[in-house]
This record gives sequence, C-alpha cells and structure tokens, in this order.
Amino acid sequence: AQSVTQLGSHVSVSEGALVLLRCNYSSSVPPYLFWYVQYPNQGLQLLLKYTTGATLVKGINGFEAEFKKSETSFHLTKPSAHMSDAAEYFCAVSTNNNDMRFGAGTRLTVKP
Amino acid sequence: NAGVTQTPKFQVLKTGQSMTLQCAQDMNHNSMYWYRQDPGMGLRLIYYSASEGTTDKGEVPNGYNVSRLNKREFSLRLESAAPSQTSVYFCASSEVGFIERLFGSGTRLTVV
Repeated sequence: AQSVTQLGSHVSVSEGALVLLRCNYSSSVPPYLFWYVQYPNQGLQLLLKYTTGATLVKGINGFEAEFKKSETSFHLTKPSAHMSDAAEYFCAVSTNNNDMRFGAGTRLTVKP
Repeated sequence: NAGVTQTPKFQVLKTGQSMTLQCAQDMNHNSMYWYRQDPGMGLRLIYYSASEGTTDKGEVPNGYNVSRLNKREFSLRLESAAPSQTSVYFCASSEVGFIERLFGSGTRLTVV
C-alpha cells in the first residue's frame, strides 16, 4: 500500500519568509498527490492536487507544490508567509478512489 | 451552505456506552468515508461506502460499525465505547472520478 512521510511535525517561519513543507511518498503505481490544510477546530480543506500532467501545481492562497518522481517528493511551498497561513498541513497519496493515505501532519507557526 | 454536515460536534461518553455519529452530504456524491484523527498519526480510514448500499472496512475498523442509510447519509456507530476511541472523527465525501475528499468539520469524542 502507498504511504506518506512528512518531514518535520512543526515548522516555524517569520512573516514574509519562505514556507517549505516536505512530503515524500511511497507508491508502486503512479500516484495522485494532495495537500490539505486544517485550521483550528475545522475540517480539512484541499489546497492543491497532482493527478497527471504538469508537475508544478498551483493551489489556493498562493501555495504551490512540485511532483518530483525521481525523488518521490511533493513538497509544498509559498514564497511569503502570512499570519493567516498558521495551520496544520497534511500531505496525502492515493492510487484509487477508495484508498487515500495521509501523512502525520506538519504544524506551521508564523511569527510576526 | 452545501457540504458535509456532522453531528454532534462534541461528545463525552463513558466506557461501554454506545453512540452514533451522523453525517450527511448534499452534493449528490456517491462515495462517503469515516476517518479518525489522532495526534501525530494523521487521518486513518475507518470505513467507507463507495456507493449507496455498499460499505467496506478501512485501516482501523475494529470497534465500529457503519450504515449507508441513503445516498446522502452515512453513520458511524460505536457499540461499546473504549478510551482508545477518544479521537476526532471526520466524515468526507467524493464524487466518482474525483479522488479528493470533501470533509466535514468533525466530531470531537472523548471516552472516559
């Protein structure tokens, strides 16, 4: 079965700094990859997804991620952090409609 | 607002008590899912229903039962609650051909 590893359970950046959240996956077949964001006491909201085609994927709120097959990675970036980006971020991998595996999550703190 | 609605939002149970978590979606999605979220473990699939009338086990089904009441509703039942079932439970849905999940806002369950 596929799996996801998120490197770093907590990441702290200053407002205006680059955000980089790391995700590596394992899959025996071409994967679909996702990033979700969870704000306090809320459900998960889709940030972006990779299915096929262009490997650089743009999402909501200025986030983007690049699928690198050779590195089995799907890291999430944002050029300039905003206070409102503080949340927990989950990377997920799926190879079919019924089996989506989530990483353990990375909590992003943004310092003023 | 369209989306996935979960009730209740909070619940405290005593060990051995039973309860049913309710979930309804109004997007006419075929597939529905129940996840639990525990610190440091991401989301894990409990049960899913690929279509009305079908249900299947996920990663962590022990201690739970589900019912797909109709296309809109998918309930999760704890017959005899245990402290290990203290968690945040999320219901999600997805449409055929779209792997990404749409999540509800969650039910925070504490078993004492």
